[in-house]
Amino acid sequence: NAGVTQTPKFRVLKTGQSMTLLCAQDMNHEYMYWYRQDPGMGLRLIHYSVGEGTTAKGEVPDGYNVSRLKKQNFLLGLESAAPSQTSVYFCASRKAGQGDYGYTFGSGTRLTVV
Amino acid sequence: KNEVEQSPQNLTAQEGEFITINCSYSVGISALHWLQQHPGGGIVSLFMLSSGKKKHGRLIATINIQEKHSSLHITASHPRDSAVYICAVKGGKETSGSRLTFGEGTQLTVNP
Repeated sequence: NAGVTQTPKFRVLKTGQSMTLLCAQDMNHEYMYWYRQDPGMGLRLIHYSVGEGTTAKGEVPDGYNVSRLKKQNFLLGLESAAPSQTSVYFCASRKAGQGDYGYTFGSGTRLTVV
Repeated sequence: KNEVEQSPQNLTAQEGEFITINCSYSVGISALHWLQQHPGGGIVSLFMLSSGKKKHGRLIATINIQEKHSSLHITASHPRDSAVYICAVKGGKETSGSRLTFGEGTQLTVNP
């Protein structure tokens, strides 16, 4: 089925370890986003991309890096994980433009940093 | 104060009841989204509104642009409606990649 696929679904990291979360979409969407969801808070934007080869910072970018080498993939990297990065991470994508385009979300990655 | 405020934060209802969840925002928007998130699950888009009212089955969403307010209604609620309902707004200009600003969500529990 078409949609947004996130891998992995669960991960436990030790403080200081690194990892990469992968987001893949097969809808040819231009825009892609990485959010984190924490208890008592709305989803917060980490980084986003408006097209292949472009990325930009969101609200909470510190401690994360991203890359969009291919249009269908958006990678989120944690170079040196910290307990404060324990969260559920969601990827989303959207077609570019002012039209009534919806957002498609992945199923989330639950990350625990110990 | 958050740009997007939802009320109530938690809502418990009996099966069959009519449910209303409210969303107020303080910024200019081009669209408002209602999303649903089941426990441990992903996020699904329910509605996208820029004016007026939309209906899908037992769900109705309305928006009042002048008052910067939207409501999500569920008629004849059912236990399977139990989920977190999230309001999100998209800014008024096609800049910054059509970013969304999210409310904290409303946890709805419908008891049989």
